Amino acid sequence: DAGVTQSPTHLIKTRGQQVTLRCSPKSGHDTVSWYQQALGQGPQFIFQYYEEEERQRGNFPDRFSGHQFPNYSSELNVNALLLGDSALYLCASKTVSPGGYTFGSGTRLTVV
Amino acid sequence: AQRVTQPEKLLSVFKGAPVELKCNYSYSGSPELFWYVQYSRQRLQLLLRHISRESIKGFTADLNKGETSFHLKKPFAQEEDSAMYYCVPEAGGGNKLTFGTGTQLKVEL
Repeated sequence: DAGVTQSPTHLIKTRGQQVTLRCSPKSGHDTVSWYQQALGQGPQFIFQYYEEEERQRGNFPDRFSGHQFPNYSSELNVNALLLGDSALYLCASKTVSPGGYTFGSGTRLTVV
Repeated sequence: AQRVTQPEKLLSVFKGAPVELKCNYSYSGSPELFWYVQYSRQRLQLLLRHISRESIKGFTADLNKGETSFHLKKPFAQEEDSAMYYCVPEAGGGNKLTFGTGTQLKVEL
């Protein structure tokens, strides 16, 4: 089992551009959450998807949007990129039952 | 407001010494509590979950609801314990995790 896989691993974008990050959850997991981790900080919750719907959202602007597909994989989209969006973006998955999340290795986004 | 406080940003101990990583939380309801760990150049991973009362890699954590604390302990630190540790409440229903800034544990020889 490959666990949670994220792509790409690294990405460089210019201010104002749009970006799409991808995540495949661990086999058997149906709930996907996205986190933003700035340098030296703990991960911050962006949103969670379950049954192809956004179930909960953190304190992030509407420029951040997502999607979950029928196979449970997920995308994170960020529009009108700002320099401050530079961070490690983590995807985490779990089943709907109580229990811990499994994290991916993340996508390192640099906005220049 | 939901908040996690890990007062030590960096904790250095010698190999074989006891370790205690402190965690206090402020959370409405009854969150489920976890410790996650990130070893150098590896992904975040679940270390332990309070409800299962397991001991993983020699670590245990006691939930004190009165003090709203969930400190992580190990009687004898090993070099391979050097890592970043996060105390993480999870909102009821399997929703979002709230991370603090974490504690970097450094075990010195």
